[in-house]
Amino acid sequence: DAGVTQSPTHLIKTRGQQVTLRCSPKSGHDTVSWYQQALGQGPQFIFQYYEEEERQRGNFPDRFSGHQFPNYSSELNVNALLLGDSALYLCASSNYRINTGELFFGEGSRLTVL
Amino acid sequence: AQSVAQPEDQVNVAEGNPLTVKCTYSVSGNPYLFWYVQYPNRGLQFLLKYITGDNLVKGSYGFEAEFNKSQTSFHLKKPSALVSDSALYFCAVRDRRSGGSYIPTFGRGTSLIVHP
Repeated sequence: DAGVTQSPTHLIKTRGQQVTLRCSPKSGHDTVSWYQQALGQGPQFIFQYYEEEERQRGNFPDRFSGHQFPNYSSELNVNALLLGDSALYLCASSNYRINTGELFFGEGSRLTVL
Repeated sequence: AQSVAQPEDQVNVAEGNPLTVKCTYSVSGNPYLFWYVQYPNRGLQFLLKYITGDNLVKGSYGFEAEFNKSQTSFHLKKPSALVSDSALYFCAVRDRRSGGSYIPTFGRGTSLIVHP
C-alpha cells in the first residue's frame, strides 16, 4: 500500500521564478492538504483540495495556487518566488468523510530560493 | 479559532528515564487532539490521537498521552525513553465541529533529545 508520495524531494530556484510541486495521496484517500514548514516552525496550512476544488485556504497570498486531478493527485504552484518561500512543503492526505482521521504526510519537497 | 502551545522548545532526558512533552490547546468546542513525530528531513508521522472516551490514549512506539479537559492539556509521555526517540514532536488540535474539511492546527514543535 503506497503512502503519500511527493516530488521533487529537493529543488533550488531563484527569486521571481515559479515552482510546481506534486503529490500523490495514500491509496483510498480523496483529500489533499498542503503545508509549509519553515525552519524551526510547525506546519502552516496553505490549502486543501477535495473533489478537484479548493475547499479551505490558509493565510497565504494568491501567488500560492493549486490543483487536484481526477485521480486525487495534486499540485502546488508558487509564482514570483521570494526568499521567504524557502521551506519544506508537505503534502498530507486524508479521507474527507472520516472526520476523526489523522493526516498522512509525505516526505516533503524542500525548496530553496536564492 | 483554535490554537496549540508547546511551551518547551527542547526537552532533554536520559535514556531509560520517563519523558513528558507538554501541549496545551484552545478550541471553541470539544477537541480532537493528535501527536505527530518528525525525524530529520522527513515528513510527519502520526503517533496517537484523542477522539473521545478514556483520557489516557496509547499510541505507537510505546508513547501515550493524557487528555485533561480542565487544564486543556494533552501531554505526551513515555515510561522509558530510547535514544531513537530523539526527534521533533508536534501537537495538533482540531475543533470537533469543523466537519469534513479537516484542518488541524499544529504547534511549533518540541525537540526531544534523549542522551545515552
